[in-house]
Amino acid sequence: DTAVSQTPKYLVTQMGNDKSIKCEQNLGHDTMYWYKQDSKKFLKIMFSYNNKELIINETVPNRFSPKSPDKAHLNLHINSLELGDSAVYFCASSRNPESTGNNEQFFGPGTRLTVL
Amino acid sequence: AQSVTQLGSHVSVSEGALVLLRCNYSSSVPPYLFWYVQYPNQGLQLLLKYTTGATLVKGINGFEAEFKKSETSFHLTKPSAHMSDAAEYFCAVDLMNRDDKIIFGKGTRLHILP
Repeated sequence: DTAVSQTPKYLVTQMGNDKSIKCEQNLGHDTMYWYKQDSKKFLKIMFSYNNKELIINETVPNRFSPKSPDKAHLNLHINSLELGDSAVYFCASSRNPESTGNNEQFFGPGTRLTVL
Repeated sequence: AQSVTQLGSHVSVSEGALVLLRCNYSSSVPPYLFWYVQYPNQGLQLLLKYTTGATLVKGINGFEAEFKKSETSFHLTKPSAHMSDAAEYFCAVDLMNRDDKIIFGKGTRLHILP
């Protein structure tokens, strides 16, 4: 009964390829997020979706595109992969911060992406 | 501007000793504050959080943190370290703005010495 799950856990691919990482949450949360954790462990938010609407989009290359088929899923598509995309990507979810008053997030196990 | 500062990217303590991980924030309004822990090769797990009310917050695994508004701090402590506490710890701040995002510190790696 994993709360937030991601697949795959590990992804090794060549430069220039297109890949996707999937995320699912069974917590009934309204908002989902994607974070990138670099080699220095720094966490940077990439996207969040609230009720299927993108509400945050940091300065992320447009090669990255989030897609949410429904409230429980937020997938991350990456086109034309580059060496600098190698990192660990975390999915997270939370209830609607506006309704709960805080932004406690539940994280998935992460996907380690290695671009060769 | 950096909103969350964690002093010390690495902290080493002996097993049984006091753990103190420092976190300072900058915000014009009282924020919500969080500590997350990341065990090796795992995702982030919430340790504890402060929203309103009592400024001393108790979390899981014997950790606690105290919100000190005058010092803009939210340091994490545990009276007696255990080997299983070795992990990366992240302080995070919800600035209560329209962006709906929380800002993470750069993390502190806690090493436990036998």
